[in-house]
Amino acid sequence: KQEVTQIPAALSVPEGENLVLNCSFTDSAIYNLQWFRQDPGKGLTSLLLIQSSQREQTSGRLNASLDKSSGRSTLYIAASQPGDSATYLCAVGAGTALIFGKGTTLSVSS
Amino acid sequence: NAGVMQNPRHLVRRRGQEARLRCSPMKGHSHVYWYRQLPEEGLKFMVYLQKENIIDESGMPKERFSAEFPKEGPSILRIQQVVRGDSAAYFCASSPTMSGGQAKNIQYFGAGTRLSVL
Repeated sequence: KQEVTQIPAALSVPEGENLVLNCSFTDSAIYNLQWFRQDPGKGLTSLLLIQSSQREQTSGRLNASLDKSSGRSTLYIAASQPGDSATYLCAVGAGTALIFGKGTTLSVSS
Repeated sequence: NAGVMQNPRHLVRRRGQEARLRCSPMKGHSHVYWYRQLPEEGLKFMVYLQKENIIDESGMPKERFSAEFPKEGPSILRIQQVVRGDSAAYFCASSPTMSGGQAKNIQYFGAGTRLSVL
């Protein structure tokens, strides 16, 4: 059974820091891996999608990597800003459903 | 091109009432998925539907919950005789179809319906 774990559960950093969020999954047979952002009381915003054949994807200050063999993905956020404060969710696509981690709640202070 | 539309955004029900949540997929998408996010929990898959068919309902509670996606109109997630434990955010996602008829493996999410049971 696929399980997705995100570490840390919460993270507080000062503005301007570079940071890494971690996601691990137990079964390497995945179609893709997706990182989402969720603001309090809001829906999900897709940040980056990595297909199983890819190693990384970049969008602006965000870079996501995927290592299927080790069951890991990282989301790198460069030069963090207060507006980056949100919960970041990792989800793996395997079969019908997306399997989500519980998320990392990020707080960036000015 | 409008995204996935869910309504209502917020729904308050008393114990024992029925809750009906609606989801209109993105234009051209014929695959719909429902997920539930309980407080302090991650999103959990509930059900996957195509037009007029339930494809995978392995995540649906066995009682009181049902889902449909009729030929015309939105997908409906129905919860009968709601209890306080049903309070959660319910998200709908849709995906397009590949040439072979299968869902393309990317899902687009709506803003969710937040159900509160008093």
